[in-house]
Amino acid sequence: NAGVTQTPKFRVLKTGQSMTLLCAQDMNHEYMYWYRQDPGMGLRLIHYSVGEGTTAKGEVPDGYNVSRLKKQNFLLGLESAAPSQTSVYFCASSLAGGQQFFGPGTRLTVL
Amino acid sequence: DAKTTQPPSMDCAEGRAANLPCNHSTISGNEYVYWYRQIHSQGPQYIIHGLKNNETNEMASLIITEDRKSSTLILPHATLRDTAVYYCIVRVAGLWFQGAQKLVFGQGTRLTINP
Repeated sequence: NAGVTQTPKFRVLKTGQSMTLLCAQDMNHEYMYWYRQDPGMGLRLIHYSVGEGTTAKGEVPDGYNVSRLKKQNFLLGLESAAPSQTSVYFCASSLAGGQQFFGPGTRLTVL
Repeated sequence: DAKTTQPPSMDCAEGRAANLPCNHSTISGNEYVYWYRQIHSQGPQYIIHGLKNNETNEMASLIITEDRKSSTLILPHATLRDTAVYYCIVRVAGLWFQGAQKLVFGQGTRLTINP
């Protein structure tokens, strides 16, 4: 039981490049979330999903897109990366009303 | 959602009880108090939550005052592995949008356990 896994662990992009972060969970959770954490700050919610095929915006959705084609996977896309998107990205999953289980994070640097 | 206030940092000796305070004076009757921690930039880890009564699990105890305006997380016998940032979060009970949870993370308390 791997829990929540994230791919890749590290990535460096140039401004304007695109990339996709993958989150996978093997706990059969309906709910999945993407957060970002900037240095010295708490986590902020980017997008979330309440089930396969559904997504919704969180606090800071601009510049990101998401997809949930399969229940176990939640993808976060950056179409045109900007230096302001340099951050650590965390994925989480949960049952309805339950605690959130977090992945190990992806450290993204945009030059 | 109610806002929480935590001290930015605390120290505790290894083997002693670590008591982490949280003020949530604007909490509503249907809001839970949750605690998560983040060890050295790993993903946050759930610790415990409560509504009115004190709660205990294998990791910690949560003491909520009678007026619910503050709470204390207690790690009974702190070890070096408990060094982390601890987040106190107030969350509306029940379901948010179609069942999703809304967790609002502040800056937390950086707890350092000293040998």
